[in-house]
Amino acid sequence: AQSVTQLGSHVSVSEGALVLLRCNYSSSVPPYLFWYVQYPNQGLQLLLKYTTGATLVKGINGFEAEFKKSETSFHLTKPSAHMSDAAEYFCAVTTFLNQFYFGTGTSLTVIP
Amino acid sequence: GAGVSQTPSNKVTEKGKYVELRCDPISGHTALYWYRQSLGQGPEFLIYFQGTGAADDSGLPNDRFFAVRPEGSVSTLKIQRTERGDSAVYLCASSPSDRNTDTQYFGPGTRLTVL
Repeated sequence: AQSVTQLGSHVSVSEGALVLLRCNYSSSVPPYLFWYVQYPNQGLQLLLKYTTGATLVKGINGFEAEFKKSETSFHLTKPSAHMSDAAEYFCAVTTFLNQFYFGTGTSLTVIP
Repeated sequence: GAGVSQTPSNKVTEKGKYVELRCDPISGHTALYWYRQSLGQGPEFLIYFQGTGAADDSGLPNDRFFAVRPEGSVSTLKIQRTERGDSAVYLCASSPSDRNTDTQYFGPGTRLTVL
């Protein structure tokens, strides 16, 4: 079975500071990993995904994530936070089956 | 183009009643997913359709939950004898093919409240 753990249900950063949202996964087979963002009153939107190939993945809005198999991690980063980044972020994992497992989410607050 | 739409946006019902939640996927998308999101939790997988058939319904919590997609487009999630614990936001997503690496496009959800 697969699962995802997101450490920190709430993260606050100052505008312009580094954003780091943590995601660890559990999977007995090679995983596919995703980060989704949910802005207030909107549906989930894909930020980026890792399937195969390069382990450093770049997504929209300046976000990137690195797949580290040895650490079973897929942390999301952005060098400089913007006020518009305030949202709920979800990490998700799937394998060769079309079952997707989401973490419990991290709410990002950006302080001006 | 139009995204995934879900109706109604809000549904309030009484315990024991029957409800239907509708999902209109993006035109041409063959894969469709239903999720349930409880307060403070991430989306929980319920069922996955490829075309008209339910390829995986292992996430449905019990036999009160049922979903159909008769023409391979619109899908309806049906909940019988609703219970207060069914209260949640029900999300629908579609993707272009059955590849699980495809991007899923989510609808805004239906907020179900069971009184």
